[in-house]
Amino acid sequence: AQSVTQLGSHVSVSEGALVLLRCNYSSSVPPYLFWYVQYPNQGLQLLLKYTSAATLVKGINGFEAEFKKSETSFHLTKPSAHMSDAAEYFCAVVPYSGAGSYQLTFGKGTKLSVIP
Amino acid sequence: NAGVTQTPKFRILKIGQSMTLQCTQDMNHNYMYWYRQDPGMGLKLIYYSVGAGITDKGEVPNGYNVSRSTTEDFPLRLELAAPSQTSVYFCASSYVWGTGANVLTFGAGSRLTVL
Repeated sequence: AQSVTQLGSHVSVSEGALVLLRCNYSSSVPPYLFWYVQYPNQGLQLLLKYTSAATLVKGINGFEAEFKKSETSFHLTKPSAHMSDAAEYFCAVVPYSGAGSYQLTFGKGTKLSVIP
Repeated sequence: NAGVTQTPKFRILKIGQSMTLQCTQDMNHNYMYWYRQDPGMGLKLIYYSVGAGITDKGEVPNGYNVSRSTTEDFPLRLELAAPSQTSVYFCASSYVWGTGANVLTFGAGSRLTVL
């Protein structure tokens, strides 16, 4: 069974500072990994995904994430935070293969606040 | 292109009442899902469907029912509402082919309060 742990339910950064949101996964097989973002009163939308093609994945709005198998991590970063980045971020995992393995398991989310 | 449309956006129910949350997608996706989101708990899968006429339970199915008579529609039924069902409900869909990465498209959510 797969699971996802997001460290820190709430992260605050100053505008222009580095954003680092942590995600660790456990999976019995190599996984697909995702980051979704949820803006207030909206549904989730895909930020980026890892599908084993490249370990450093670039997403929308300047975000990127690096898959590190040795650390079972998929941390999300952005060099310079913008006020519009304030949202809740969810890491999710799905096993790489196998029938019935299409169900995403979501982490509990990290709410990002950006201080002007 | 509307994507995934959920209705209603808000609803207040009394304990024991029943209701149906509607979900429609216009992307010809084969998979559809219902999740509930509670503060600090992330998203929990209630039911999912891999195609018309096929549904299966997720992690938290108790108190809910679903049907999938068409590719487009995936309604979620609450038969006897309980306060524990107070939550925000999200419908999502995706196109799944082989073992490809499963990118979900979400609706805007339905906020349900049971009093």
